[in-house]
Amino acid sequence: QVQLQESGPGLVKPSQTLSLTCTVSGGSISSGSYYWSWIRQPAGKGLEWIGRIYTSGSTNYNPSLKSRVTISVDTSKNQFSLKLSSVTAADTAVYYCARLMVYAKGYYFDYWGQGTLVTVSS
Amino acid sequence: DIQMTQSPSSVSASVGDRVTITCRASQGISSWLAWYQQKPGKAPKLLIYAASSLQSGVPSRFSGSGSGTDFTLTISSLQPEDFATYYCQQANSFPLLTFGGGTKVEIK
Repeated sequence: QVQLQESGPGLVKPSQTLSLTCTVSGGSISSGSYYWSWIRQPAGKGLEWIGRIYTSGSTNYNPSLKSRVTISVDTSKNQFSLKLSSVTAADTAVYYCARLMVYAKGYYFDYWGQGTLVTVSS
Repeated sequence: DIQMTQSPSSVSASVGDRVTITCRASQGISSWLAWYQQKPGKAPKLLIYAASSLQSGVPSRFSGSGSGTDFTLTISSLQPEDFATYYCQQANSFPLLTFGGGTKVEIK
């Protein structure tokens, strides 16, 4: 059973960089045709996809965040990471990491981490 | 970008009721659609993928249908554990995967 766990600071100051890591257990991050993704959810609001990475290092980002986002992968540690620069209060949200499975050209989030709340405040 | 619009935004129902939630895409997405269930304080859970395929372990009272721009999630007989918020997601249009705004299923 694949499990994902987010980790990182829960409080980030405005204009700084938010950094989170997702550790994958129960299977190799390199096995199978899966992508690895980050999604966020402000309190009381809906879900926003941030971006995805394949274990080759290939990435896609939400155009609205692209200038500030970097997603990377470390296959030796079975982890992938998110960096979001120049944060503001609008970036305060629960951040989820998730596995993206591919089925008939569709991309579906089949495993999720529990989520971690990141608050942007001075 | 493809916009996903869910309706209603909330629905009140009783245990045993049949509940239907609709998701409309701003342009055709074939069958590239998923449905998720989210309970308070928890991560979303995949229920349906490819518009009508039931994810492993999900009860058969959940079903999905539709293609193109109009999709439906049906709960045939609402159970106490089904009170949650449900989201649709378009699954093929990169560089942006998008979710609907959510439908909250509440106890009547």
